[in-house]
Amino acid sequence: NAGVTQTPKFRILKIGQSMTLQCTQDMNHNYMYWYRQDPGMGLKLIYYSVGAGITDKGEVPNGYNVSRSTTEDFPLRLELAAPSQTSVYFCASSYGDRAAVGNQPQHFGDGTRLSIL
Amino acid sequence: DAKTTQPPSMDCAEGRAANLPCNHSTISGNEYVYWYRQIHSQGPQYIIHGLKNNETNEMASLIITEDRKSSTLILPHATLRDTAVYYCIVRPRRNRDDKIIFGKGTRLHILP
Repeated sequence: NAGVTQTPKFRILKIGQSMTLQCTQDMNHNYMYWYRQDPGMGLKLIYYSVGAGITDKGEVPNGYNVSRSTTEDFPLRLELAAPSQTSVYFCASSYGDRAAVGNQPQHFGDGTRLSIL
Repeated sequence: DAKTTQPPSMDCAEGRAANLPCNHSTISGNEYVYWYRQIHSQGPQYIIHGLKNNETNEMASLIITEDRKSSTLILPHATLRDTAVYYCIVRPRRNRDDKIIFGKGTRLHILP
């Protein structure tokens, strides 16, 4: 059981380049999330989605875009990479159900380490 | 959402019980207490959660005070592999979303 899979694991970008961080899950979870973690800090929520076709901003959405065309995939797009976006990016998913919301743990991928030079 | 307060770091001897405290004095009646941990360079890992009763699973025990204003995560026999940052989080039951707001957590060092 793969769980949450993130690709790539590492990437170096030049300032102004764009890229898409991929995230896919095989647990049929309808809730998915993107977090970033700067060195020595906790995780900050970038965007989240409660189902296909629905996305919402988190704490730090500026400079990022997301889409959710399928239940399994939740890609994160950086359009104009900036040094401030150097971070480790984690994708997560959970089984969201109106009766169970708040009572379901999130499952995390292993992260994408991104450096902007 | 209720805010949590945790000590920034703790040490524990290998083989002893590690007791990690968390204060959540503004928790409301429908909010769960969750614990996650993050081992270096890995994604956060779910440990345990509870509403008001004490909980135990294969990884840990969660003790929630009767007034629910604080809780303790207990790792009964800590090993070196338990060295990690431990996050205490309160999460409300919502109809709309399920997002987690992470704080800075407690950095637990298991000493050989």
